[in-house]
Amino acid sequence: AQKVTQAQTEISVVEKEDVTLDCVYETRDTTYYLFWYKQPPSGELVFLIRRNSFDEQNEISGRYSWNFQKSTSSFNFTITASQVVDSAVYFCALSGDTEYNAGGTSYGKLTFGQGTILTVHP
Amino acid sequence: ETGVTQTPRHLVMGMTNKKSLKCEQHLGHNAMYWYKQSAKKPLELMFVYNFKEQTENNSVPSRFSPECPNSSHLFLHLHTLQPEDSALYLCASSHPGWGLSTDTQYFGPGTRLTVL
Repeated sequence: AQKVTQAQTEISVVEKEDVTLDCVYETRDTTYYLFWYKQPPSGELVFLIRRNSFDEQNEISGRYSWNFQKSTSSFNFTITASQVVDSAVYFCALSGDTEYNAGGTSYGKLTFGQGTILTVHP
Repeated sequence: ETGVTQTPRHLVMGMTNKKSLKCEQHLGHNAMYWYKQSAKKPLELMFVYNFKEQTENNSVPSRFSPECPNSSHLFLHLHTLQPEDSALYLCASSHPGWGLSTDTQYFGPGTRLTVL
């Protein structure tokens, strides 16, 4: 069975501070994918990043960066110089088991963490 | 419109009502999903359709009935719901891959459902 743990339930920072959101996962699959989603107050889950298990390079996108460490089964997310607009719930997710229908195609089955509520104060 | 849309955005219904949630995706995807998000709980996968064929029913009560008439539209028909069914219902879509490919799921804004 797969499991994603986001131990930080809530984080509160002041604008311009750096903040790291932790994500630890468990899976028996050799091939798997890790995701981060952002859920602002409007409700929609916004896709941020997808990383496959064979690519351990860290990634940076603007103020966002991700640190994937297979040895510790972690996929942490850092926001540099946080802004008020970063306030949201952030979800880490894992997809490893693929399912096949009669047509031979597969779809991803996501396992989500509990989410971390990030509040950035002005 | 682009992306994944859901209507209505908010719904209040009594336990004896019948209502439907609608999801439409404009991304050319073939897999569509319903999730339930309750307070203080992880997202729960309810149903999956792949090329209009239901491939997953995650032990969802029969008072929730999905319908997928084509790859772009997904409905969730509701009847005789309970107050504990109040939640945010999210729709998502993805482009299923071949072999071990797992594509990204893109989500709609959700329908906030309140059952009185």
